[in-house]
Amino acid sequence: SQKIEQNSEALNIQEGKTATLTCNYTNYSPAYLQWYRQDPGRGPVFLLLIRENEKEKRKERLKVTFDTTLKQSLFHITASQPADSATYLCALDRYSSASKIIFGSGTRLSIRP
Amino acid sequence: ETGVTQSPTHLIKTRGQQVTLRCSSQSGHNTVSWYQQALGQGPQFIFQYYREEENGRGNFPPRFSGLQFPNYSSELNVNALELDDSALYLCASSPDRDRARYEQYFGPGTRLTVT
Repeated sequence: SQKIEQNSEALNIQEGKTATLTCNYTNYSPAYLQWYRQDPGRGPVFLLLIRENEKEKRKERLKVTFDTTLKQSLFHITASQPADSATYLCALDRYSSASKIIFGSGTRLSIRP
Repeated sequence: ETGVTQSPTHLIKTRGQQVTLRCSSQSGHNTVSWYQQALGQGPQFIFQYYREEENGRGNFPPRFSGLQFPNYSSELNVNALELDDSALYLCASSPDRDRARYEQYFGPGTRLTVT
């Protein structure tokens, strides 16, 4: 069955370091892979999207890579700040008649000062 | 602010009851998707509405139903509530159904507790 896996353990990073989050998927051929941020009690907020034919995408301090051979995406936050503390979700969609986005369970990131 | 609003914020219901959750999409958006998010899990796709018609459904039983109105606001109805229905229910609006694949704006969610 289709599965998306993210680091189940929370990630604790020292402020200023680079945080790297992993998203692995199986039995799936996504057209798009997205990363969202979710704060407690709030809905997810879209951060970045990368297409199947793209290797890397950047936005300010954020970088996403997409390896369709390894079936993996890495999400990097450089120069991390305590305000970056949140849960980060990856989500996949594929080419089909209707959107059926599948989310991972998320990784909780804590940046300590 | 995303402009997507949901009501109510919190709700407590008893097993077997019925519930209606509401979502007002962002201005100009004609597509609404509903998700269920259990504690510690990612959102799970329930269904999507585009111009008042259902446009895709996830693996949820028929007791989960929806509506979209001419102003593109939407309702999620759940009949015969079960304890496992306790979750955060999120709606997300998109400018159109094609852009819903990569451009969704989520509301704050409704926290439903079934006792």
